[in-house]
Amino acid sequence: ETGVTQSPTHLIKTRGQQVTLRCSSQSGHNTVSWYQQALGQGPQFIFQYYREEENGRGNFPPRFSGLQFPNYSSELNVNALELDDSALYLCASSLYRTSGFTDTQYFGPGTRLTVL
Amino acid sequence: AQKITQTQPGMFVQEKEAVTLDCTYDTSDPSYGLFWYKQPSSGEMIFLIYQGSYDQQNATEGRYSLNFQKARKSANLVISASQLGDSAMYFCAMREAYGNNRLAFGKGNQVVVIP
Repeated sequence: ETGVTQSPTHLIKTRGQQVTLRCSSQSGHNTVSWYQQALGQGPQFIFQYYREEENGRGNFPPRFSGLQFPNYSSELNVNALELDDSALYLCASSLYRTSGFTDTQYFGPGTRLTVL
Repeated sequence: AQKITQTQPGMFVQEKEAVTLDCTYDTSDPSYGLFWYKQPSSGEMIFLIYQGSYDQQNATEGRYSLNFQKARKSANLVISASQLGDSAMYFCAMREAYGNNRLAFGKGNQVVVIP
């Protein structure tokens, strides 16, 4: 096991609602990245947080937002849920080094979101 | 544009045999890293092996090895002595130096190990 935890495991929401997903990073890691994985696809990068600030963003609308806390844990918030937001949401933690690279990203078990 | 291509259909492999999973990538960045992850039906992505673009030797990690052919832009994963627990989806991913450390994933290869 990686030591990365996510909650909740499963979630069912309806269109238009808002959702918050949580992630606790592995001990010693300072960076959290979020990915969306639709059924039958590879994960797509949403954004990354380092030092409590967004440090890169993929092709996702502003209704996807996040936070990182001083203990490096993170939240992903999605507003105005759409049916296409139904997916497995994965968070990954890693160590960001002064070289500008992160080490290997280790993933949590994911949160499966269903939007009805 | 697709950065990582995994096009093999689902594969069935006999227990104890080796299996090779293909991955080709596209980048103009001279500094990049390639990763393979395993995703069982439970959903968690499990890190298997890493290859840096400047690494001189192919990476190995237990039963996993990476056949890195830089000129061909391929990074195939070889699993030796397959076990029933190897049945899963396998994803190839790339991290580019200018890409904010994001991972770009392929669509995955399904492997089923049969006894």
